[in-house]
Amino acid sequence: NAGVMQNPRHLVRRRGQEARLRCSPMKGHSHVYWYRQLPEEGLKFMVYLQKENIIDESGMPKERFSAEFPKEGPSILRIQQVVRGDSAAYFCASSPTLKETQYFGPGTRLLVL
Amino acid sequence: GEDVEQSLFLSVREGDSSVINCTYTDSSSTYLYWYKQEPGAGLQLLTYIFSNMDMKQDQRLTVLLNKKDKHLSLRIADTQTGDSAIYFCAETPNQAGTALIFGKGTTLSVSS
Repeated sequence: NAGVMQNPRHLVRRRGQEARLRCSPMKGHSHVYWYRQLPEEGLKFMVYLQKENIIDESGMPKERFSAEFPKEGPSILRIQQVVRGDSAAYFCASSPTLKETQYFGPGTRLLVL
Repeated sequence: GEDVEQSLFLSVREGDSSVINCTYTDSSSTYLYWYKQEPGAGLQLLTYIFSNMDMKQDQRLTVLLNKKDKHLSLRIADTQTGDSAIYFCAETPNQAGTALIFGKGTTLSVSS
């Protein structure tokens, strides 16, 4: 039973490019959460999605960031026109139902040059 | 507002017990969690405690919850060098559909 999978594990982008981060939840999990971890900080919530729906995006920056979780395929976190301040580790977590324990993926470490 | 606080560093010798402390602010939190993060890795769920419990023990790990003081602790018995990592405390606010609130993490360093 594979855990939460994220790819790529490492991503390097130049300022102004787009970054696409993918997350496949654990089998049987329909709830996905994205978190961002800045250097030497804890994780900060970004967005919570169920299949095809964004439930809570209160932690998402208003511009350049978007997320989706289509009926088929992984959840995608998309960052347009990246800036150096977007450099961070982005973690995805999944849970089987609302408010159950969240299991985390290995993260994608984004570096913006 | 919601805030989870932890001390930043803890250094112990191998074989000693480690106690990592955490305070939280949301008295309506239903679950409180401890996660472990090794360098360059994701978060591994260590243990969690439901808010109506005072203590939970799981092998070398003991979690104590003081709801009155909003204080959570994680005790690791017989600490090993492999326990060196960052330990995050997290709470689930009692709201529908929202996320874990994390502390900044406690870096545990175990020397032999």
